[in-house]
Amino acid sequence: GAVVSQHPSRVICKSGTSVKIECRSLDFQATTMFWYRQFPKKSLMLMATSNEGSKATYEQGVEKDKFLINHASLTLSTLTVTSAHPEDSSFYICSARGSPAGVNEQFFGPGTRLTVL
Amino acid sequence: AQTVTQSQPEMSVQEAETVTLSCTYDTSENNYYLFWYKQPPSRQMILVIRQEAYKQQNATENRFSVNFQKAAKSFSLKISDSQLGDTAMYFCAFILTGTASKLTFGTGTRLQVTL
Repeated sequence: GAVVSQHPSRVICKSGTSVKIECRSLDFQATTMFWYRQFPKKSLMLMATSNEGSKATYEQGVEKDKFLINHASLTLSTLTVTSAHPEDSSFYICSARGSPAGVNEQFFGPGTRLTVL
Repeated sequence: AQTVTQSQPEMSVQEAETVTLSCTYDTSENNYYLFWYKQPPSRQMILVIRQEAYKQQNATENRFSVNFQKAAKSFSLKISDSQLGDTAMYFCAFILTGTASKLTFGTGTRLQVTL
């Protein structure tokens, strides 16, 4: 099946610094990638949708200058949390959609736990 | 806008027993897909089962089956012969067909399988 990886799996950073999270589709071309945020014991909240080669589309209430998303290739998308603050601490999950499954199935990465001190 | 409702925040079932998780959704569209995802303590999202709305036959995957009632907009998940490894958070999700579609998740049901 299609595999999506995320790196790092865990990151701890100081308040005010920036953190980059990578999401890669390992065995398929991801035309679309999605970034979610998940709080403890809660559902996934979609932050943004990115299509390869174009600007990301952010959900209402998500600060685009705070959460920079780049989808430079068909296998890589990055999420950069800029000037991180403790309230940005969360679990971030990416997913990817593309061939071979088509447009209706997403494959999820294992997630990244971000802790901002 | 589409909504997905899971009315059971937590459920418990004994090993080898059967449990059913509920999910209802709301949409005015006719072409869509429904999914059940499992999120174990590792937090990796795992697709359990999917159902195309145009198919009347309920999807099954080994011990997992769904009861899809399109008119009632209901999509429940039945887990037979529950195993300890089934302990997880289960999310019901909905997506319209089409390239611009996004998954809509329910709030989840935490399932605990006990000895």
